[in-house]
Amino acid sequence: SQTIHQWPATLVQPVGSPLSLECTVEGTSNPNLYWYRQAAGRGLQLLFYSIGIDQISSEVPQNLSASRPQDRQFILSSKKLLLSDSGFYLCAWNPHDRGTTGELFFGEGSRLTVL
Amino acid sequence: AQKVTQAQTEISVVEKEDVTLDCVYETRDTTYYLFWYKQPPSGELVFLIRRNSFDEQNEISGRYSWNFQKSTSSFNFTITASQVVDSAVYFCALSETTGTASKLTFGTGTRLQVTL
Repeated sequence: SQTIHQWPATLVQPVGSPLSLECTVEGTSNPNLYWYRQAAGRGLQLLFYSIGIDQISSEVPQNLSASRPQDRQFILSSKKLLLSDSGFYLCAWNPHDRGTTGELFFGEGSRLTVL
Repeated sequence: AQKVTQAQTEISVVEKEDVTLDCVYETRDTTYYLFWYKQPPSGELVFLIRRNSFDEQNEISGRYSWNFQKSTSSFNFTITASQVVDSAVYFCALSETTGTASKLTFGTGTRLQVTL
């Protein structure tokens, strides 16, 4: 069966520090991968998605970047964190052949607090 | 642009009551997909249901049921005989059908609190 893992689960970082959140999917190949952010009391906002290695699409201009160095690994990064980057970050995947029609499967989430 | 509205921010019910969570969507697509997710306190989003725009049949799964009405652009979710374990934030979502990825637009969620 397929599983998705994110780490770290919780992170407290000072303003201006770098960020790296990792997401790994197991039990499948060539998945579509996604990063969403959930700000306090708000819905989920799509940040990035990837349909293949080194194929990254950005949905929202921001202080963040994403990379996919391996087929089942998706990394969310920032060189200098802002206070507004605080939130709950969720990685998700779905089968490539389910493209636009399939549901997403989410990881456990990473809670980032920028102080 | 697509939009999903969940007007109910928070609902509190007593166990065994029935509760309906509302979802209204906007899209220009003729083909689209709607979803409901549950987010328990642990934070992970749990997939509940997917419905495509051509299938307006209501669906029932145990205590859960969904009412899709294309004429009113609504996809409401009813929990019958609610239980404390149903306490969570519930999200309705809508997917674009262009491109190759499932880009979901989420509503802001409805927090359901079920008490004894």
